This record gives sequence, C-alpha cells and structure tokens, in this order.
Amino acid sequence: AQSVTQLDSQVPVFEEAPVELRCNYSSSVSVYLFWYVQYPNQGLQLLLKYLSGSTLVESINGFEAEFNKSQTSFHLRKPSVHISDTAEYFCAVKGRTGANNLFFGTGTRLTVIP
Amino acid sequence: NAGVTQTPKFQVLKTGQSMTLQCAQDMNHEYMSWYRQDPGMGLRLIHYSVGAGITDQGEVPNGYNVSRSTTEDFPLRLLSAAPSQTSVYFCASSYSNPGRTEAFFGQGTRLTVV
Repeated sequence: AQSVTQLDSQVPVFEEAPVELRCNYSSSVSVYLFWYVQYPNQGLQLLLKYLSGSTLVESINGFEAEFNKSQTSFHLRKPSVHISDTAEYFCAVKGRTGANNLFFGTGTRLTVIP
Repeated sequence: NAGVTQTPKFQVLKTGQSMTLQCAQDMNHEYMSWYRQDPGMGLRLIHYSVGAGITDQGEVPNGYNVSRSTTEDFPLRLLSAAPSQTSVYFCASSYSNPGRTEAFFGQGTRLTVV
C-alpha cells in the first residue's frame, strides 16, 4: 500500500512571494504522483502529475513539482503566488501496478495574503 | 461533456435513515470510486469499481454499499446513517490503466447526519 504525508496543514504567504508545499510518500512499489487543487466548495482538479521521464513537471498556471526518488518527495513550488492561488492542495500517489486507487495526503491550505 | 456528475449537492439525514448518493460519468471510464473528505484527514477511499459488476472495498467501507450495473453509474448507499458519516463525498472516475490518465472528480455531496 501507499501513503502520503503533507506536514504543513496551513501555509500563509504574502502575494508575489514564493511558496513550497511539501509532500513525502511511502510505497513498496513504483508510483505515479499527483497534485490536486480544491477551490472553496468545489471538487478536486488535477494540477500536475508525474508519470515518467523528466522529474520536474509544470502546470499551466506556474506551479512546478519535482520528483525526488531518493528522498521520496514530490514538493510543489511556485515562485510568485497570486490571490487566486488560495485553495487547498492535495498530494496523491498511485501504484504503477495493481488497483487504480489514489492515496491522498491530508492537504495543505494555502492562503495568499494581499 | 458533463464529466462526473454527483447528486444531490447537499443532504441532511436523520440518524438511522438510508439514502443513495448518485454518481454518473460520461467518459466511458472503467474505474470509478467514492471518497469521503473530512477536515484534517484528506480524502479516504470508501469503495471502488474496476468495471460493471465488479466492486471492492477501500479504506473505510463500513456503513456503505455500492453496486455497478452499468459503466456510467456508481451509486453509494448509506444503509443506516450515523453522525460519523457526516462528511463531503466525492465520486471519481478514470481509465483502469494507472498510467493512462488522471482521475476526474465530481463536485461533491455535502452530507449532514443529525
């Protein structure tokens, strides 16, 4: 089975400042990794994913995440945040084999302060 | 293209009542799943299905039943509602191949059991 740890439950940051949301995972098999974003009163939307290839993946709205196999991490970063980035962010992991189940972390609430 | 549709969006139940949360997808996805989201606990898998006629338990299946008679629909039944089942419920769908695509989520059903 897989598990995900998001140590930071809340991260306040000023507008235009950089941010890093941390994600560590545990798995006995190779995995795929995902970041999902949830805006208030909405469902989850995929932000970015790592399936294979380059360990640095990017989203269309300026977020990036780097897969680090040795540290079993998949931290999410953005060099300059906007008010509209205020949301809850979930890291998730899925095994490359077996059932197609996502395992989620507990989430990080990012609040961007004007 | 509607994606994943959940109904109802909100529901209040009395302890002991039963109800069915509906989930439908129009993407011809084989895999469908139900999660519950609770504060500080992220999303936890309740039940999942890899195709019509096939269902299996996730992390927190107690108190819930599912069935999958068609590819499109995956209803979640609460047999005898309890206050501990107060939560936000999300349905998701994807292709069964873990590497093929990400999961698509519905908008959620907010359930309160009094």
